[in-house]
Amino acid sequence: SQQGEEDPQALSIQEGENATMNCSYKTSINNLQWYRQNSGRGLVHLILIRSNEREKHSGRLRVTLDTSKKSSSLLITASRAADTASYFCATDAGGTSYGKLTFGQGTILTVHP
Amino acid sequence: ETGVTQSPTHLIKTRGQQVTLRCSSQSGHNTVSWYQQALGQGPQFIFQYYREEENGRGNFPPRFSGLQFPNYSSELNVNALELDDSALYLCASSGPTGAENTEAFFGQGTRLTVV
Repeated sequence: SQQGEEDPQALSIQEGENATMNCSYKTSINNLQWYRQNSGRGLVHLILIRSNEREKHSGRLRVTLDTSKKSSSLLITASRAADTASYFCATDAGGTSYGKLTFGQGTILTVHP
Repeated sequence: ETGVTQSPTHLIKTRGQQVTLRCSSQSGHNTVSWYQQALGQGPQFIFQYYREEENGRGNFPPRFSGLQFPNYSSELNVNALELDDSALYLCASSGPTGAENTEAFFGQGTRLTVV
């Protein structure tokens, strides 16, 4: 079953604007990861945030995690046309479920030049 | 480039046939997981292999089976193909079990079409 639910399902913005995507999940996690997928091909890992972390940055990406609300957000600042892709959150429950990721439905981001 | 290689990239099969998909994991990774991604959906976990043994399975029927070899490469086999098996199949390799909080590296996927 899909644990993560991304919101919105689709987002259309202009180059230079910020894009925010949200993810909610249902069960306890060890970490939460964000991935990007271009044109239905392989997934590219963007960032991993552990359950004991609240915020993490990587370049133009900022991820927050609120375990009390079971939610995470991905912020892409100063977006570029090349950021156009589908973005997925994935949860890893850890323990015996280590590495068995549960993905959401994804957010389709379109950045217009 | 993630170092994870999948073959073939595209495949067309007839309903009822069998298919084998292959994955070479990233050097040093002994855990391989397989996912099925239907069009417009997120990937769904099929199963995971660790040191040549199945180490967890998602909600997929037994006609989905796998193997992992001593060099940690892996195969996904699907018997008695159904139209709903049409999807992108993704392989992911990750570090040793126990080294938690490590990312998974995905291959480019195999696009399977069942007609």
